[in-house]
Amino acid sequence: DAGVTQSPTHLIKTRGQQVTLRCSPKSGHDTVSWYQQALGQGPQFIFQYYEEEERQRGNFPDRFSGHQFPNYSSELNVNALLLGDSALYLCASSFAGAYNEQFFGPGTRLTVL
Amino acid sequence: AQSVTQPDIHITVSEGASLELRCNYSYGATPYLFWYVQSPGQGLQLLLKYFSGDTLVQGIKGFEAEFKRSQSSFNLRKPSVHWSDAAEYFCAVATPPGGTSYGKLTFGQGTILTVHP
Repeated sequence: DAGVTQSPTHLIKTRGQQVTLRCSPKSGHDTVSWYQQALGQGPQFIFQYYEEEERQRGNFPDRFSGHQFPNYSSELNVNALLLGDSALYLCASSFAGAYNEQFFGPGTRLTVL
Repeated sequence: AQSVTQPDIHITVSEGASLELRCNYSYGATPYLFWYVQSPGQGLQLLLKYFSGDTLVQGIKGFEAEFKRSQSSFNLRKPSVHWSDAAEYFCAVATPPGGTSYGKLTFGQGTILTVHP
């Protein structure tokens, strides 16, 4: 049973660029959440997708956007990258009715230069 | 708004010693509570969770946690620490079903555990 997978593992971008991160949920899960974990901090909730719609959003600017596909996989897009966007981006999956019971992937390490 | 405080940034224990990691939360009612562990460069692994019922919950790897409503705490304990327990530990709070933020986990800043041989 495959767990949550994320790609790529690492990514280096420069300020002002755009980036797309990808996530495939655990088998049987239909809901995907994204978190940003800055160095030395706990993860911060960005948003959650269910049925291809954003159902919850944290306190992040509109530069952060997402998408969920019919197969439940998801993308996180960040536009106009800032140095402060450097972080580990974690994807978590769950299923409807148990949104809080989230299983996390290994993350994508984004470095913005 | 829900929040979590982990007062200890870094804890060092000797292998075989007991462990207690502190977690205090802020939430108006009884929340859902979690402890996760993160090894360097890895994602988060769920150790245990509390939703309702018995306030002492058992988790994986020999960990347990106790929910104390009067103290707004959910401390993690282990009677005998192993060197492989060295990692960073995160406490998280979430809104129960029906709440406006249902599905959003709010994490503390984490506690780094170092284990001396």
